[in-house]
Amino acid sequence: DTGVSQDPRHKITKRGQNVTFRCDPISEHNRLYWYRQTLGQGPEFLTYFQNEAQLEKSRLLSDRFSAERPKGSFSTLEIQRTEQGDSAMYLCASSQESYEQYFGPGTRLTVT
Amino acid sequence: DQQVKQNSPSLSVQEGRISILNCDYTNSMFDYFLWYKKYPAEGPTFLISISSIKDKNEDGRFTVFLNKSAKHLSLHIVPSQPGDSAVYFCAANGVNQGGSEKLVFGKGTKLTVNP
Repeated sequence: DTGVSQDPRHKITKRGQNVTFRCDPISEHNRLYWYRQTLGQGPEFLTYFQNEAQLEKSRLLSDRFSAERPKGSFSTLEIQRTEQGDSAMYLCASSQESYEQYFGPGTRLTVT
Repeated sequence: DQQVKQNSPSLSVQEGRISILNCDYTNSMFDYFLWYKKYPAEGPTFLISISSIKDKNEDGRFTVFLNKSAKHLSLHIVPSQPGDSAVYFCAANGVNQGGSEKLVFGKGTKLTVNP
């Protein structure tokens, strides 16, 4: 049973560019979550999918952010027109009918 | 508005002694609490959890205590080992009370266990 995987692990981009991250959850998990973590803070919720349906979005998820989970398996998180304030660790987690969420290693985004 | 608070940014203990990490919450809708451990450059790892219907849950060296009236929980690690050195996050959710699926995290406590 492999864990949650995320790709890429690191991304450096210039301000104004678009970036896309991928998350592959644990295979039997139907729930998938995206969080963002900045230095000195705990992870902050961005959005949640149950199967392919996006059921909840945080106010943190501005119009420049979009997430998809087209077939209820992997998910992508896209940030358009990146800003320096988007620099953070983007974490994906999955769960299956339980409260415990299992996290991937994260994608560290640096916007220069 | 910090709904989950970990007021100690850091804690240092000697190997073999007890580590006690504390967490307070303000939202009475929370009914499930979790502790995660995080090493640098890795994602958080689930450690132990507790439902609001319990006041204690134990798993090996790790025990979580919940005091609902005080809206306080704590994680005890006995005996502490150098490999326990990491940042520990307290998290909560309230899905059973019509709340969200999301976890709300504290800011973390950095534990250092000295050999």
